[in-house]
Amino acid sequence: GIQVEQSPPDLILQEGANSTLRCNFSDSVNNLQWFHQNPWGQLINLFYIPSGTKQNGRLSATTVATERYSLLYISSSQTTDSGVYFCAVVSGGTSYGKLTFGQGTILTVHP
Amino acid sequence: GAVVSQHPSWVICKSGTSVKIECRSLDFQATTMFWYRQFPKQSLMLMATSNEGSKATYEQGVEKDKFLINHASLTLSTLTVTSAHPEDSSFYICSARGQVVAGANVLTFGAGSRLTVL
Repeated sequence: GIQVEQSPPDLILQEGANSTLRCNFSDSVNNLQWFHQNPWGQLINLFYIPSGTKQNGRLSATTVATERYSLLYISSSQTTDSGVYFCAVVSGGTSYGKLTFGQGTILTVHP
Repeated sequence: GAVVSQHPSWVICKSGTSVKIECRSLDFQATTMFWYRQFPKQSLMLMATSNEGSKATYEQGVEKDKFLINHASLTLSTLTVTSAHPEDSSFYICSARGQVVAGANVLTFGAGSRLTVL
């Protein structure tokens, strides 16, 4: 099956700093989503981005499908950004709901 | 819109008992829902696909007799952990297609149910 690798595994920032999270995948994808899992476990969908670039406030994401990677940018980080960020994909020919998740990036933002 | 509700949020049970977790789509109909499991400090792993009106499809290595899935209506899927043991303690999360963005399906996740088996 498809492999999804995220980096870095852990990231510690001071409030106000910028960061870039990376997601590499081993095969072509039909669906790629970025999620934020808060400390209570709730998964929040950040972006649906199988290709191209999107922005939502301080967050933006870019997926280069031909090179099989996606990037999540967080600018002017806040303590509420802390949590785990997951990249998840659906590879070609697979049911749309069968997401394969990366191992996540644990982000800690200090005041 | 596109809200998925799970209940209970937390459950503690004794070893050998069964526990039922509900997943509801509140403002949309979901013919298909998905159940994931997440162990502490690990990623999410798909357990099974729940299909309304038919049998669930289980991923390799998931015991269908232990994790009973019922999808009796277009808004409700249930996961029953039968004869639970401490190794079944985990965070169980359901998802369903909540939005169609640019013609594609975007999954919405419930808040999860944390099971602790003593």
